[in-house]
Amino acid sequence: SQQGEEDPQALSIQEGENATMNCSYKTSINNLQWYRQNSGRGLVHLILIRSNEREKHSGRLRVTLDTSKKSSSLLITASRAADTASNFCATSENDSGAGSYQLTFGKGTKLSVIP
Amino acid sequence: DAGVIQSPRHEVTEMGQEVTLRCKPISGHNSLFWYRQTMMRGLELLIYFNNNVPIDDSGMPEDRFSAKMPNASFSTLKIQPSEPRDSAVYFCASKTVGGAETQYFGPGTRLLVL
Repeated sequence: SQQGEEDPQALSIQEGENATMNCSYKTSINNLQWYRQNSGRGLVHLILIRSNEREKHSGRLRVTLDTSKKSSSLLITASRAADTASNFCATSENDSGAGSYQLTFGKGTKLSVIP
Repeated sequence: DAGVIQSPRHEVTEMGQEVTLRCKPISGHNSLFWYRQTMMRGLELLIYFNNNVPIDDSGMPEDRFSAKMPNASFSTLKIQPSEPRDSAVYFCASKTVGGAETQYFGPGTRLLVL
């Protein structure tokens, strides 16, 4: 079952603009991650934010996490045509001490950056 | 590092045939995950292994699906018999047990069952 739900489902912007995507989830989490998927490829990890963190930066990426609202946002600044991809949030819950963490993915936001 | 390797990259088969998908995780990674991606259902976890042992297979859709990990460097996902509704992209991902939570995905196998 889907844990994260991204919003919007699709987003189209001009190169140089900022893109904001949101993710809502349902249960308590250890961390939340964002992944990118270019067309026809596997997913690539972008950034991870832990449940005790509120904001994190990595290059042109900024992620926020509000555990009281069970939501996160991903901001991509100064977008480039190469940012055209689907972006997924994935939540991680402790799987009862088995030592690994399952990820539950949303359906993604399809970002199109127009040159 | 070659990353996660999956084969074949594309598979077209007829309904009723057996399909075997293969995955080689990143060397040193001892957690391996199989996912299925479709437009309708998004990315679904099918099964995952820790140290070659299946931990959770609750996502496997039915008995036609089976997965094995005979050693640390190889896993298979088998569908027998295949059906058109199995058409999807199947991804394998790996990570270290108890280590960083980031998963590393392979390029996927695009399966079409006619």
